This record gives sequence, C-alpha cells and structure tokens, in this order.
Amino acid sequence: GAGVSQSPRYKVAKRGQDVALRCDPISGHVSLFWYQQALGQGPEFLTYFQNEAQLDKSGLPSDRFFAERPEGSVSTLKIQRTQQEDSAVYLCASSLEEGSGQFFGPGTRLTVL
Amino acid sequence: AQSVAQPEDQVNVAEGNPLTVKCTYSVSGNPYLFWYVQYPNRGLQFLLKYITGDNLVKGSYGFEAEFNKSQTSFHLKKPSALVSDSALYFCAVREPSGYSTLTFGKGTMLLVSP
Repeated sequence: GAGVSQSPRYKVAKRGQDVALRCDPISGHVSLFWYQQALGQGPEFLTYFQNEAQLDKSGLPSDRFFAERPEGSVSTLKIQRTQQEDSAVYLCASSLEEGSGQFFGPGTRLTVL
Repeated sequence: AQSVAQPEDQVNVAEGNPLTVKCTYSVSGNPYLFWYVQYPNRGLQFLLKYITGDNLVKGSYGFEAEFNKSQTSFHLKKPSALVSDSALYFCAVREPSGYSTLTFGKGTMLLVSP
C-alpha cells in the first residue's frame, strides 16, 4: 500500500482481556517501530524490529506486552491481561532502512474499561 | 539520554500572523531533529528535519525551522498562519548513530483563529 496501515483503528477491551494490534508497514521497509501515545503526551518508544529481528524492546512497559514480526513485514503487538493504564494510542512506524525517516500509521486507539 | 522539551502546551495566533512553536533538545553528539504534525484521529505526518547543513530548514506546507546549536533549539516557524494549520505539533530528536529511536516532546497545540 501507499502508507503504513494499522488495524483495528479502535479497540475497546475489558480489563483482563488479551488484545492484538496489527501493523502493515510500507512494502520493502526494513525497520519497524512501535510507540505508545498516552492522552496529552508525545509518542513513547516501545520496540524496534529490523526485518524479523527484534533488536530493542527496552520500551515495553511490562512482560504483558509482546511484539513480533515473524516474516519481516507485518507486525503484531499483543497485550495480555489488559489494564486500564494500557489505554492509549498505539502507533506503528516504518522506515526504509536503519537511520532513514520514519513514516507513521494512523494508530490504534485502545480503551480498556 | 536524549530528551525534548516543548515549553508551550498551546500557541494561539491569528490567521495571517507569523507563528513560532518552540522546541529545545538534549542529545549526545550532533542531533537529528524532526517536526511532525498530528491532526485529530490521524497519524503523525512528517513536516521537516535537520540532519546537517543549513541551519534554516524548509519543509511541507510553508513551515520552516531554525537549528540553533548554542541554544540547543529547533523552533518551528511559519511567516503567515492559516486556520488549517491548527493541529498538534511534535518535535523529536534522535542520535545520528545506528537506528536510534525518536524521542518526542509532549506536543504543542497550535490554534489559528480566523
């Protein structure tokens, strides 16, 4: 596609439910990033992939958060046993190669009740 | 560790007037600096970046930014604001080495009145 796409755009989950958020990067982009944007805040880094390798997961807030990119293209961010503090917009970004500009998707707004 | 400060939560300006959105940064070495804009329910859109070279960088939609190394600032500017410029603006910094993730400021809401 022409840009980064994310699905679903909106997700409402009950506390304790597991969720999976999908990111389709721009075709051919090697690098993929996940960010969390809380209300009224700037995006904060969660994790980074280069192709299928997860090179940095230092931003994941707890072991309930897990991300994968098994074939080096589509990525999934999974949150287990969701908590209210997980409510945020989750942004995915991709870049052509290491160090080049990042293109962002529209985000998934997660609301945990 | 790298960081970005956007000291203003909101900037108000009348249409046709010049606008400035402030950003200061802290990073080891020479910074890569970015401005992004976010419209409601949409992702971040790239406006401009500074990597090296001229301190005045021109970007999309008539925006420009001035890199000032001594003041560690990268303020966003536009000579004549439009109502359609009203949005949330984020400054971001990264180190030049490797993949180095972006660190964002908390954002500044720009409101342009008719």
